[in-house]
Amino acid sequence: AQSVTQPDIHITVSEGASLELRCNYSYGATPYLFWYVQSPGQGLQLLLKYFSGDTLVQGIKGFEAEFKRSQSSFNLRKPSVHWSDAAEYFCAVGSGGSQGNLIFGKGTKLSVKP
Amino acid sequence: NAGVTQTPKFRVLKTGQSMTLLCAQDMNHEYMYWYRQDPGMGLRLIHYSVGEGTTAKGEVPDGYNVSRLKKQNFLLGLESAAPSQTSVYFCASSYVNNEQFFGPGTRLTVL
Repeated sequence: AQSVTQPDIHITVSEGASLELRCNYSYGATPYLFWYVQSPGQGLQLLLKYFSGDTLVQGIKGFEAEFKRSQSSFNLRKPSVHWSDAAEYFCAVGSGGSQGNLIFGKGTKLSVKP
Repeated sequence: NAGVTQTPKFRVLKTGQSMTLLCAQDMNHEYMYWYRQDPGMGLRLIHYSVGEGTTAKGEVPDGYNVSRLKKQNFLLGLESAAPSQTSVYFCASSYVNNEQFFGPGTRLTVL
């Protein structure tokens, strides 16, 4: 069965510091991978996605993620965090099957220190 | 384009009451989904639909029913609300095998 693990429940970084949020997945074939961000009281917004091709994908708001098949990982990175990046981040995996369903990780809450 | 909209935004129910949550999308997406979000649990799929007139169960379907009579609308019903259904409910839509677009959510409290 597919699964997604986000090992870090809560991370705090200083503004201007670099960020890496971890995501590991379990899936037999090449998965479709997504990162979403959720600001307090809001819905989820797509940051970036990986379907195939270049394993380093660029997203909105200066985020990027790298697909590493050997490690079953899809970690999210940003070189310099801004206070407005404080939010909850969700990694998701899709099977690409006819249902189009996504399996979500439990999320990582990011706090940014001034 | 409004994207995905949800009605209502907030609701308080008493145990045993019923209600319907409405989701509407204007992107002509085939697929629509209902999730619930609880602290520390991420998003869990309740029901989904791969097209008008079709529905299927997700991970946590018990206590909920859905209908997709029109392509743009996906309704989630609670026939007899229970405190365990206190949650934030999100609707999403997508083209097949693509990213899902989410609505703003409905915060439901069952007393």
